[in-house]
Amino acid sequence: AQKITQTQPGMFVQEKEAVTLDCTYDTSDQSYGLFWYKQPSSGEMIFLIYQGSYDEQNATEGRYSLNFQKARKSANLVISASQLGDSAMYFCAMREGARNTPLVFGKGTRLSVIA
Amino acid sequence: DSGVTQTPKHLITATGQRVTLRCSPRSGDLSVYWYQQSLDQGLQFLIQYYNGEERAKGNILERFSAQQFPDLHSELNLSSLELGDSALYFCASSAGITGVGGTEAFFGQGTRLTVV
Repeated sequence: AQKITQTQPGMFVQEKEAVTLDCTYDTSDQSYGLFWYKQPSSGEMIFLIYQGSYDEQNATEGRYSLNFQKARKSANLVISASQLGDSAMYFCAMREGARNTPLVFGKGTRLSVIA
Repeated sequence: DSGVTQTPKHLITATGQRVTLRCSPRSGDLSVYWYQQSLDQGLQFLIQYYNGEERAKGNILERFSAQQFPDLHSELNLSSLELGDSALYFCASSAGITGVGGTEAFFGQGTRLTVV
């Protein structure tokens, strides 16, 4: 079974609008971390935001926020005030446990920001 | 700049050949991970080393092997290359054991391997 599911292969958003990228996860661990990465066309993987399973508040980093709904096992990324430079692939990932086990990635969502 | 260095950035080689990809993790990071990203497979975890020892194995082919050296740099060896091995190979590193869910992994720029 897939551990991380990203159901939106591609998304379009108008510049300056907000957009939500969906991510659901599957784990039986109580302790886990959820991560979002951005991959622009140049190919590098850029870490955006992290949410721990025990964090009661949603994580925020600048224009990025993570909408964490533990009961629904979802960890959606919200990008506010989209910019042309936000056009990229976005990957949701999970690490189970409290050690640095490998990240498991979803298949990604390609976001295109339109002027 | 993530602080993770991968060399070379691009590699073109023929089928049946052997190549070595190199990775220098961020200063102080003990964990090194190798991932393969191909168009139809997404990011696939290959193998993890922690402070010189193999920690976890993913979907790594027997033709592939890796090691982490005392200075913590790592090498991924790919042999008997096939056309299907063409992909972007990432190295990532992260710090030692920390809190819930560990810490983020920092990725290198990747090595784009083309097998012809």
